[in-house]
Amino acid sequence: GQNIDQPTEMTATEGAIVQINCTYQTSGFNGLFWYQQHAGEAPTFLSYNVLDGLEEKGRFSSFLSRSKGYSYLLLKELQMKDSASYLCAAMDSNYQLIWGAGTKLIIKP
Amino acid sequence: GAVVSQHPSWVICKSGTSVKIECRSLDFQATTMFWYRQFPKQSLMLMATSNEGSKATYEQGVEKDKFLINHASLTLSTLTVTSAHPEDSSFYICSVWEGNTEAFFGQGTRLTVV
Repeated sequence: GQNIDQPTEMTATEGAIVQINCTYQTSGFNGLFWYQQHAGEAPTFLSYNVLDGLEEKGRFSSFLSRSKGYSYLLLKELQMKDSASYLCAAMDSNYQLIWGAGTKLIIKP
Repeated sequence: GAVVSQHPSWVICKSGTSVKIECRSLDFQATTMFWYRQFPKQSLMLMATSNEGSKATYEQGVEKDKFLINHASLTLSTLTVTSAHPEDSSFYICSVWEGNTEAFFGQGTRLTVV
């Protein structure tokens, strides 16, 4: 079956760095997405990885290892506004997105 | 990127009534739009794929007669929840894809059925 695993909740301190991990199992693979979702709002796109390696975009970076079925989202210089859920989603061979349940990130001052 | 507008943002309705949710692609012609549902603390669940000018494709377990989808133009898809019940209370989100690498989401509609 197809499956996405990510931690349910993480806590970090303002100004610090946090890494949110995601493992996936899909029928075929056409990329790995990370989305940010604030409570009561729709998800917003953060990153897309289809090749192995690290993609950096400002304070956010995303890493992919296709052989390990593994990705992580790295958030640097954490700000209070980064408190949100972070959704990992893998695209299978039919271009369907398989969604994780999300990781709730709590930022403490 | 594409701008997607979803309306209404929230709605409360009585059990047994129907509710229509609109999803508009403001600057992008979308032949395909996607409708998701999200229950609290759960992942997004794809309900159906809305195809302009043809019937929607529903995911397994989603009742097509209950969740009516109409995609009459390249910029508008509607989801109508018919004969709503409290268990239909959820967050409904539409999205469009720009190419195959980025999905843009509407603001979402929080439906509460009382």
